[in-house]
Amino acid sequence: DIQMTQSPSSLSASVGDSVTITCRSSHSISAYLNWYQQKPGQAPKLLIYAALSLQSGAPSRFRGSQSGTDFTLTISYLQPEDSGTYYCQQSYSIPRTFGQGTRLEIK
Amino acid sequence: QAQLVQSGAEVEKPGASVKVSCQASGYTFMNHHLHWIRQAPGQGLEWMGMINPSGGSTTYAQQFQGRVAMTTDTSRDIVSMELSSLISEDTAVYYCARETKWPGGNNWFDPWGQGTLVTVSS
Repeated sequence: DIQMTQSPSSLSASVGDSVTITCRSSHSISAYLNWYQQKPGQAPKLLIYAALSLQSGAPSRFRGSQSGTDFTLTISYLQPEDSGTYYCQQSYSIPRTFGQGTRLEIK
Repeated sequence: QAQLVQSGAEVEKPGASVKVSCQASGYTFMNHHLHWIRQAPGQGLEWMGMINPSGGSTTYAQQFQGRVAMTTDTSRDIVSMELSSLISEDTAVYYCARETKWPGGNNWFDPWGQGTLVTVSS
């Protein structure tokens, strides 16, 4: 199975700040990496697919990037509604696997 | 607009089985695989398996083999997931999610159902 290691597990930042969440895959997965945002009591929602592509309707302050097996989600100009938990997920092979999640608190 | 609507919350005793359904609408049901993912309270996301509505072929995560069954009703655009021999650790929110795929193979989960809370308690 492909292991996805996500960091940090939590972070706190202020409105207007920029933050970066990192996800590392245990094997090469090309660009088969997706990011989801989950708010309490809600289902996860797709943010970024294929490592770099912004889902329709997602704010442009969300950006995905890749360097080998390292993937990053950068959120610029943080807004209060960006609070929640973020998960990476590899779609390269079965079983599909997720990172353990990053909880983002907006101060 | 594609939408997945799941059945309501369930409470089951240890050793029992539970069946959760997922009603699809707004897209061609047969064209997309459907996956099941669960989330225990305060925990992360765990993939359980997938079903191809066209033909009904399934792939399950190893840890659920022998205990899970995913089925499809193509006449009503519904997929179902049945989990048997329930234990307290199966208490979780269960999600269905549609797989969307690029021609090149890249794929992702969108949309997701709203989730179904299954509580296993004596």
